[in-house]
Amino acid sequence: QVQLVQSGAEVKKPGASVKVSCTTSGYTFNDYYVHWVRQAPGQGLEWMGWINPDSGRTEYAPKFQGRVTLTRDTPISTAYMELTSLRSDDTALYYCARTYIAAAGTDYWGQGTLVTVSS
Amino acid sequence: EIVLTQSPGTLSLSPGERATLSCKASQSVTSSYLAWYQQRPGQAPRLLMYAASSRATGIPDRFSGSGSGTDFTLTISSLEPEDFAVYYCEQFEASPRTFGQGTKVEIK
Repeated sequence: QVQLVQSGAEVKKPGASVKVSCTTSGYTFNDYYVHWVRQAPGQGLEWMGWINPDSGRTEYAPKFQGRVTLTRDTPISTAYMELTSLRSDDTALYYCARTYIAAAGTDYWGQGTLVTVSS
Repeated sequence: EIVLTQSPGTLSLSPGERATLSCKASQSVTSSYLAWYQQRPGQAPRLLMYAASSRATGIPDRFSGSGSGTDFTLTISSLEPEDFAVYYCEQFEASPRTFGQGTKVEIK
């Protein structure tokens, strides 16, 4: 069965960086885009960007351009999201999710990774 | 960026009642690029509808979607206990992808 399993919760200080992993199984990793979406406590969903695991091509939301980097390690079917220069308002649950093409609904999601930014 | 506005913010209904949720876009969205999600407390979002009116795998037929252009609707014909949740619309016509702010369907 399709699974996206994310790394565990992180606590970071302002100004630091965080790297979250998303390990996939049950499908061909290179055939699906991986998106990253975050959700601040009690708030809605915010799209951050996607990576095409086959080509390595990425697209980022303008809000995160310059602070987020999406990468992948295809032999282990894992995608990564790194966010730098963390601020308190980056405290959120970060999800990975997949789509068959870039512009499609996300049909499987990871369980989410809580990133807390606090001094 | 395309702004999606969902209404109402909260919908208070009883099991068995019909729910009608609205999603309005700040500019036209091709139906193919509009999706709906359900999020239950403590869970990741789940894809309900894609291409505005097509049910995702395993979604019961009490869920239906409609609309075009700037106005889209999600209808739940008869609410089951597990349907009380938050619902989001999303567009991917243009980058960045954007979500509505959500509609909470709560038990009256």
